[in-house]
Amino acid sequence: DGGITQSPKYLFRKEGQNVTLSCEQNLNHDAMYWYRQDPGQGLRLIYYSQIVNDFQKGDIAEGYSVSREKKESFPLTVTSAQKNPTAFYLCASSSGTGHGYTFGSGTRLTVV
Amino acid sequence: AQRVTQPEKLLSVFKGAPVELKCNYSYSGSPELFWYVQYSRQRLQLLLRHISRESIKGFTADLNKGETSFHLKKPFAQEEDSAMYYCALSYTGGFKTIFGAGTRLFVKA
Repeated sequence: DGGITQSPKYLFRKEGQNVTLSCEQNLNHDAMYWYRQDPGQGLRLIYYSQIVNDFQKGDIAEGYSVSREKKESFPLTVTSAQKNPTAFYLCASSSGTGHGYTFGSGTRLTVV
Repeated sequence: AQRVTQPEKLLSVFKGAPVELKCNYSYSGSPELFWYVQYSRQRLQLLLRHISRESIKGFTADLNKGETSFHLKKPFAQEEDSAMYYCALSYTGGFKTIFGAGTRLFVKA
């Protein structure tokens, strides 16, 4: 079954801790993305990667980091520098221009 | 700067009535526009793309460059159309996409 898998579904973090959200795809897509979804604000781009070993900052990259060591995987680390990390995080992938995105089911991160 | 605006947060219509979800965009180049839908307890998924000029689940959307709009329309709404709808604009060769804030469509029986 092809698609994108995000884990965990729910994640709780204590203030001051770093946490890593997993995103894996078996669609053979070159491009992968991380978005943050907050109520009433739609989706905002955190980081994106067009190809392995390359990634670019999106509109709200501060306090986040990523890596792209394999085509299938694009993990997102939410660092302690992120001031307001409680949100719903969506990973997506794309095969290229005009094709749109395939989304994962998301990870809900809560800081306690 | 690029921007996507969905002016309605909530749209409520009766079953069988026409529905139009509005989307306006701001972009100086040639836009790639999409509609995404999220049904209850399901993941966000692509509904349609302006370049394919297709009709999906009875929905259509026409790009109006003069009015910079990409409204989503369906002539007869069904209860199963109730969902959250997002308009999106892709640029930089499709590698960056910005989303509107979304419109929740509620179709009443």
